[in-house]
Amino acid sequence: GAVVSQHPSWVICKSGTSVKIECRSLDFQATTMFWYRQFPKQSLMLMATSNEGSKATYEQGVEKDKFLINHASLTLSTLTVTSAHPEDSSFYICSAGGTGVEKLFFGSGTQLSVL
Amino acid sequence: QKEVEQDPGPLSVPEGAIVSLNCTYSNSAFQYFMWYRQYSRKGPELLMYTYSSGNKEDGRFTAQVDKSSKYISLFIRDSQPSDSATYLCAVGFNKFYFGSGTKLNVKP
Repeated sequence: GAVVSQHPSWVICKSGTSVKIECRSLDFQATTMFWYRQFPKQSLMLMATSNEGSKATYEQGVEKDKFLINHASLTLSTLTVTSAHPEDSSFYICSAGGTGVEKLFFGSGTQLSVL
Repeated sequence: QKEVEQDPGPLSVPEGAIVSLNCTYSNSAFQYFMWYRQYSRKGPELLMYTYSSGNKEDGRFTAQVDKSSKYISLFIRDSQPSDSATYLCAVGFNKFYFGSGTKLNVKP
């Protein structure tokens, strides 16, 4: 299957700082990328959908000013958690689809811990 | 109403057993149905993907979609301890919704 690289795999930061997570599609052009959040023993919650070159579409209840998404190229999307707080601590996962989004390939996830 | 419902389990079976995992969904417009396997603190791995209805087989895995009942299934034959993981179903069209995952434990 296609390869999606997510970096970093884990990050610990102080409350009030910002954290950037990168998601790269290594062997295909990702027209669309999705960002998910997953709490322990729970399913993936879609946060936003980003299309290359346009603004991300956020799901209801997700603060777009807090979770900044940039999809500047067909192979890279970034999620920046701004002014992180302990309640933002979670497992964040990106996924990418090509021209046919019926197949989603996931990154390995980023465990964010905010102290 | 949730877009997709999945029994969280856990499901514990002996090695060699046939495993049946299921999800129900609410929107008849959903066209794409996927099953993922996820190990703890890792990203989900795509196992099976089906468009519209019908069956699809890949080795020990069979995915079934019954659109009339809005019901999807994943069968695992000759289950192995290495199959122990959480299995997530996903349904959708332009965007995708995930079940809560079923934790499977295959005992040697």
